[in-house]
Amino acid sequence: NAGVTQTPKFRVLKTGQSMTLLCAQDMNHEYMYWYRQDPGMGLRLIHYSVGEGTTAKGEVPDGYNVSRLKKQNFLLGLESAAPSQTSVYFCASSYNSIYEQYFGPGTRLTVT
Amino acid sequence: QQQVKQSPQSLIVQKGGISIINCAYENTAFDYFPWYQQFPGKGPALLIAIRPDVSEKKEGRFTISFNKSAKQFSLHIMDSQPGDSATYFCAALSGYALNFGKGTSLLVTP
Repeated sequence: NAGVTQTPKFRVLKTGQSMTLLCAQDMNHEYMYWYRQDPGMGLRLIHYSVGEGTTAKGEVPDGYNVSRLKKQNFLLGLESAAPSQTSVYFCASSYNSIYEQYFGPGTRLTVT
Repeated sequence: QQQVKQSPQSLIVQKGGISIINCAYENTAFDYFPWYQQFPGKGPALLIAIRPDVSEKKEGRFTISFNKSAKQFSLHIMDSQPGDSATYFCAALSGYALNFGKGTSLLVTP
């Protein structure tokens, strides 16, 4: 049981480049989330999904897109990376909103 | 706009002491209040959680105190240990999403 895994662990991008972060969970959870964590800012929700084929915007969605084509996977895309998107990105999943969210190990992204 | 305000930003406690972290909120629609613990280089993990119909919840050395009328809740860590050194986040649930506080960095000195 791997729990929540994230790929890649580290990435450096140049401004304007695109990339996709992959999150996978093997717990059959309905809900999945993408957060970004910046020093002194806590965890801020980017997008979330309440089931396969659904997505919704969180607190800071601008500059990001997501897809949930399969229940176990939640993809976060950056179409044109900006230095302001330098952050640590965490994926999480849960059975539903009031249950424990299980977090992945994070992806450290640097945009130069 | 930060919906959950957390204090202090950092805290240093001696081994065996009590660590206290406070959170306040405005949105009365919040109906679930978890605390997450994060060690360096790791993702956050659920520590303890409370619903607003309960004033206190204790799990081992960790206790949540909840004051619904004041819209405040706090985490107490009794007999703090160096292994408790981590960042702690309070959160509040509204609808589908958790709103996190900015975090408290706790250092427990030997």
